[in-house]
Amino acid sequence: DAGVIQSPRHEVTEMGQEVTLRCKPISGHNSLFWYRQTMMRGLELLIYFNNNVPIDDSGMPEDRFSAKMPNASFSTLKIQPSEPRDSAVYFCASSSLGGGYTFGSGTRLTVV
Amino acid sequence: GQQVMQIPQYQHVQEGEDFTTYCNSSTTLSNIQWYKQRPGGHPVFLIQLVKSGEVKKQKRLTFQFGEAKKNSSLHITATQTTDVGTYFCAGPGSGAGSYQLTFGKGTKLSVIP
Repeated sequence: DAGVIQSPRHEVTEMGQEVTLRCKPISGHNSLFWYRQTMMRGLELLIYFNNNVPIDDSGMPEDRFSAKMPNASFSTLKIQPSEPRDSAVYFCASSSLGGGYTFGSGTRLTVV
Repeated sequence: GQQVMQIPQYQHVQEGEDFTTYCNSSTTLSNIQWYKQRPGGHPVFLIQLVKSGEVKKQKRLTFQFGEAKKNSSLHITATQTTDVGTYFCAGPGSGAGSYQLTFGKGTKLSVIP
């Protein structure tokens, strides 16, 4: 298995632009998580899907953030409009039945 | 909400010295997980502890889960430069949130050769 695949690896965008981050979880994992990592706040859970259904999105900062999981093999995290304070590394992770998480390589987002 | 605290935040050791990081939860945990993140990398799952007082070893790494299941530690014996990175503990929520992990801020380990 290729592991959790995220794209793009790096994204530089201007303030106000829409940003879409993509994730392909490990086949067979029924849970998918989006985390954001910054120096100040560490790893923050944004949203959690179980069997493609959003279970907890209380970590999504505001309405500018949205996430979807249309099927078991694909999820997106969208920021519209983006702001400089959204600059961070965004990780997608998947797991099976409460086991350890497998993280993707992350997307480093810079909003200028 | 649940909080997971880790100390120390940073640790610099000479190669060959031992290293320990401590994790404390504000609530009793059903299990605790440990991850390692190399500089510029992503967190990698190391281990999960489930039982009260459990001790597990992986080569030079020793993991402990407290009797009250509210604290845990990771001890590295005779550190090597390959041990450099940030070590995170993480605990699950309860009920519907039992599959989502709350991560500590991590302990960043530097090893001086």
